[in-house]
Order: sequence, then C-alpha cells, then structure tokens
Amino acid sequence: DIQMTQSPSSLSASVGDRVTITCRASQGISNYLAWYQQTPGKVPKLLISAASTLQSGVPSRFSGSGSGTDFTLTISSLQPEDVATYYCQKYNSAPFTFGPGTKVDIK
Amino acid sequence: EVQLVESGGGLVQPGGSLRLSCAASGFTVSSKYMSWVRQAPGKGLEWVSLIYTGGTTYYADSVKGRFTISRDNSKNTLYLQMNSLRAEDTAVYYCATSLDWGQGTLVTVSS
Repeated sequence: DIQMTQSPSSLSASVGDRVTITCRASQGISNYLAWYQQTPGKVPKLLISAASTLQSGVPSRFSGSGSGTDFTLTISSLQPEDVATYYCQKYNSAPFTFGPGTKVDIK
Repeated sequence: EVQLVESGGGLVQPGGSLRLSCAASGFTVSSKYMSWVRQAPGKGLEWVSLIYTGGTTYYADSVKGRFTISRDNSKNTLYLQMNSLRAEDTAVYYCATSLDWGQGTLVTVSS
C-alpha cells in the first residue's frame, strides 16, 4: 500500500507568515490528493481536492500544488482562525490513506 | 443540501458488535463513493472502509475480516457492521463522501 507522510509534524508561526506543509506519497498518485483542516473538537473540513482545487468558501490564502508524489499546502498569510491540524489524503485507489497530520499554531 | 447523520455508536465490551448507520439526504448513497473514517481520542484520521458506486468494497487492514460496509438504497443509508471489537477500535466514526462529512458517532470498546 502507498504510505503518506507529512512534514513538519507541527509548526508555530506568526500571524501574517507564509506557511507551507508538505505531503509525500510513497508512490505516484497523480493529482488524487485532498487536504483537510480540523480545528479542535470539530469535523474535518475539505479545503482542497485534486491537489490544487480550492473548495467553495475556502479563503484564497489557502492553495495547493503538486502531482505524483510531492504535494504542498500553502497558507499565504496565517490567520488566528487557521490554528488547526491539517491532513492530506490520497484517493487514487483504496486504501484512501491519510497523512499523519501537521499541527499549526500561532507563535 | 447534503447531510450525513451517523448513529449507532455507544459503549460495547471487547469482542462485541455494533452497527453504525449514516443517513444521507440531499443525494442518493448509490450515486457517490462513500467511506467510513475514524479518529481515536487525541489521534489522527484513519480511513476505515469504502464502498464504490458499483458496490465494490475495501477495508483497512486493521479492520479487514471484522467490519463490513454496506448500503441500503431504499433507506438512503450507509452502514458499518463492526464485529469482534477491540479496545483499539475506540474512536469517533465519521461517514463521508468525497466532499462532505457527518458529525460522527463515538464508539467506545471497554469492559
């Protein structure tokens, strides 16, 4: 099975900083990659599908890129409401494995 | 508007069984692939099972042979039958489409 890794596992940044999270698949998955945001106690929220397609209602400061094995989620200007854990997930074929998550907080 | 409402969680003893339900509205369960995802307390998201529109099913290795995913098109509901439950199955269980998630139902396996 394809394994998903994320880096870093956690980060602390200042409001307004540019934040980048990396997700790597152990084999190519084309662009079948989704990014989720989960704030404490809440249901995960889909931010990006197909590696770079921003979901309706998601702020434009979020963006995704990549294809194959290497993907990134970028927050162009970190806001206090972005404090959350971010997960990537592959969905090219089962199992639809999640990455281990990246916890983002404010410095 | 798409809604997914899980039910059926609760406290069960190790070795016991539970059946989770996910009632869908705003779409038909047979028209989208649907998954169960779980999250153990304080842990990350774990994909559990998937049923494609054609009915093909898949399972995580951790639940294979113990869990069964199914759907009832007449009730527009997704199910997860969970047998031989273990302490490590304790988690919030979510049903999800490619775009939407339910609120989750808590399963606690403990004696």
